[in-house]
Amino acid sequence: GAVVSQHPSRVICKSGTSVKIECRSLDFQATTMFWYRQFPKQSLMLMATSNEGSKATYEQGVEKDKFLINHASLTLSTLTVTSAHPEDSSFYICSADRALTEAFFGQGTRLTVV
Amino acid sequence: QKEVEQNSGPLSVPEGAIASLNCTYSDRGSQSFFWYRQYSGKSPELIMSIYSNGDKEDGRFTAQLNKASQYVSLLIRDSQPSDSATYLCAVNVDYFNKFYFGSGTKLNVKP
Repeated sequence: GAVVSQHPSRVICKSGTSVKIECRSLDFQATTMFWYRQFPKQSLMLMATSNEGSKATYEQGVEKDKFLINHASLTLSTLTVTSAHPEDSSFYICSADRALTEAFFGQGTRLTVV
Repeated sequence: QKEVEQNSGPLSVPEGAIASLNCTYSDRGSQSFFWYRQYSGKSPELIMSIYSNGDKEDGRFTAQLNKASQYVSLLIRDSQPSDSATYLCAVNVDYFNKFYFGSGTKLNVKP
């Protein structure tokens, strides 16, 4: 089946620094990818829709200047958490859309900001 | 965010019993409905998808959809301890697989 690879799986960073998370579709082209965030014991919350070659679309309440999304190719979307703070510590998951089939999720990235 | 509601549980059932998980959604424009299973610290994995009213069966799993009442349910027959996980209900409202998730129901299957 289709595979979506997310990297890194875990990252610890200092408060105030930026962290980049990559999401790759390994065996299909994904014109659209999605980024979710999951706090402990809560569900996945859609953050933004990443569109290849155009600006991302953010859900209400998500700061676009803090969560920078770049979808430079049909197989890669990146999420950069800028000026990270402890409250940004969360589980970030991407999914890639292959039209007319199920969505494929990455393995997730556990971000801890200290 | 579109509203998708689930009972957080935990729902405890004995091994071999039927587990019933329920979900309601607010957007009548929702077109597709999914049940995902998520183990702690892992990404969700697809269990069932359902697109039209009625029942859909796949092995021990049956999804039920009622668009008029805006609810979708998942039945797990012959529950096994390995079914213990959090079950997420997800809906999407457009062509793309952009999901809005419920808060999840934690299922415990006791041996």
